[in-house]
Amino acid sequence: RKEVEQDPGPFNVPEGATVAFNCTYSNSASQSFFWYRQDCRKEPKLLMSVYSSGNEDGRFTAQLNRASQYISLLIRDSKLSDSATYLCVVNNNAGNMLTFGGGTRLMVKP
Amino acid sequence: NAGVTQTPKFQVLKTGQSMTLQCAQDMNHNSMYWYRQDPGMGLRLIYYSASEGTTDKGEVPNGYNVSRLNKREFSLRLESAAPSQTSVYFCASNLGQGRRPQHFGDGTRLSIL
Repeated sequence: RKEVEQDPGPFNVPEGATVAFNCTYSNSASQSFFWYRQDCRKEPKLLMSVYSSGNEDGRFTAQLNRASQYISLLIRDSKLSDSATYLCVVNNNAGNMLTFGGGTRLMVKP
Repeated sequence: NAGVTQTPKFQVLKTGQSMTLQCAQDMNHNSMYWYRQDPGMGLRLIYYSASEGTTDKGEVPNGYNVSRLNKREFSLRLESAAPSQTSVYFCASNLGQGRRPQHFGDGTRLSIL
């Protein structure tokens, strides 16, 4: 089993739609969680950290469920510019190492 | 503010050739990392340096060496390139401790023929 698993997609949604991605992780001792965004042929960029109580940044909401070991990302009112690959990232509690999921591709259509 | 800078952006090598990928950060970060990204595989850690003077193996270190030249610079060397090392290589840095998000350079696309 992979340490961090994501549905690769693609998720094809119309503009204005709400879309949600889930990510599961295997290490119950993981302490830090992030969502990164990666555009085609570009570097990953931090979208948001994920906090235990859940957190929101504009149209983006992240949730953490420690009991079930999954993280979610909800995007409301999707924009064309949201089209990208979304990477779920987990600290594996071994010092400085982060483990990246394979990413979920989102395509927002006009 | 440049952030994390990688050179070169693109490189084509022949099997058996050697080369060094350079990375520098200007954010006064303690920790630096080298990843490779292959289609369908996600990002995999090659080596990292938790602080100046230390380096450690990541998930896929075979065929690579690293040098933490100073706090700013962390280089990745391929001594004898193999086609299996064809990939996109990313350097990243953070303040240290796994809780901190990492900031990435814009990558080096390496092809080995």
